[in-house]
Amino acid sequence: DTAVSQTPKYLVTQMGNDKSIKCEQNLGHDTMYWYKQDSKKFLKIMFSYNNKELIINETVPNRFSPKSPDKAHLNLHINSLELGDSAVYFCASSSPGSLNTEAFFGQGTRLTVV
Amino acid sequence: QKEVEQNSGPLSVPEGAIASLNCTYSDRVSQSFFWYRQYSGKSPELIMSIYSNGDKEDGRFTAQLNKASQYVSLLIRDSQPSDSATYLCAVNMAGRRALTFGSGTRLQVQP
Repeated sequence: DTAVSQTPKYLVTQMGNDKSIKCEQNLGHDTMYWYKQDSKKFLKIMFSYNNKELIINETVPNRFSPKSPDKAHLNLHINSLELGDSAVYFCASSSPGSLNTEAFFGQGTRLTVV
Repeated sequence: QKEVEQNSGPLSVPEGAIASLNCTYSDRVSQSFFWYRQYSGKSPELIMSIYSNGDKEDGRFTAQLNKASQYVSLLIRDSQPSDSATYLCAVNMAGRRALTFGSGTRLQVQP
């Protein structure tokens, strides 16, 4: 059973398109995250939701919009994709009752904008 | 100054040797520290967590924490070629509600 799963694993799209990445966790965690990993392997937090409430919204272009329909799901929609959006996007979750414990990661979505 | 700093490497060690990976952090009141291993093309995988000063051992891995020096390290004993990966240091910083990661150290274990 996959604990944190995201789809798709690979996404190749043209500039200007709109795309979504979906994430689901079956760990019973209350908190979910979106991280972006650039070509230099640097993992940077983008958003975090705790029980469907947005708690972290880092300096990210408005073209990125997260949505959490319930605490087991966190999706990421990106409008008007740009070349610089190419990266690996990781969804993660952390254990219930705490906002700051270790995070468990999904397998990542490699986004390539051409 | 970066919030979490790691030497990018690569750190090259022969098989069977001890690999020592280091990390410094800027926030004095940080409470929780984690080491993740990331193989190429894969997701980060938690291998160690440490919360108090001193050493914590788990199999071939030992995490060391020195809060006064704002320093955390990971020792890998009897290094194996399968340990070749990027090791990410992550810190739970005060007031932050997500882990802050370093840029990772690439480890190469030579057979």
